[in-house]
Amino acid sequence: IQLTQSPSSLSASVGDRVTITCRASQGISTHLAWYQQKPGKAPKLLIYAASTLQSGVPSRFSGSGSGTDFTLTISSLQPEDFATYYCQQLNSYLLFTFGPGTKVDIK
Amino acid sequence: DVQLLESGGGLVQPGGSLRLSCVGSGFTFNLYAMTWVRQAPGKGLEWVSALSGNGANIYYADSMKGRFTISRDNSENTVYLQINSLRVEDTAVYFCARVGSWNSRVGFDYWGQGTLLTVSS
Repeated sequence: IQLTQSPSSLSASVGDRVTITCRASQGISTHLAWYQQKPGKAPKLLIYAASTLQSGVPSRFSGSGSGTDFTLTISSLQPEDFATYYCQQLNSYLLFTFGPGTKVDIK
Repeated sequence: DVQLLESGGGLVQPGGSLRLSCVGSGFTFNLYAMTWVRQAPGKGLEWVSALSGNGANIYYADSMKGRFTISRDNSENTVYLQINSLRVEDTAVYFCARVGSWNSRVGFDYWGQGTLLTVSS
């Protein structure tokens, strides 16, 4: 299963609403997770099962979608949200794929 | 607190071998599948391999089959990644991560800080 993400990068301002899309090459139900990674750091799990917020993640992050099309939305971008975001499919037991990533930087 | 600590990276010549280790603490290690993910300099995340809590089920990314071997020692709370016939393109930060509840498709809920492997002559 291949994943594509769009856009590959975007520039936004603090307070902006940001939407990132992830598309799977075949249907994966809601078996999708989103991660945030900052430079030099390990990735951090944000959302799993397409729309479930991981414990401790701010509510400005949300996810939606099922089948092949998914979105990650940041409702009001904060300074600490500038990072690279990856989607990941978990459709088959212990077989995983990451999307290519979307870099969010400051406009 | 859950912690994962990788070790074993370093500078290795092409054609050599290396074993990476990841020690887990703060959770019942044998109840969780574990996984390795790598990230080449300036590139995205690439899933490498995963194995079940008891080590009976092992999976690799297609591009990793043949030279990579994942294993675990639950008595030592450690997961390993053996890499043989190292290539320059294996240069990357290697992360280990815990696979959260599979029934809930949680994903990789805890990550180590990563260990850098550099393959160069």
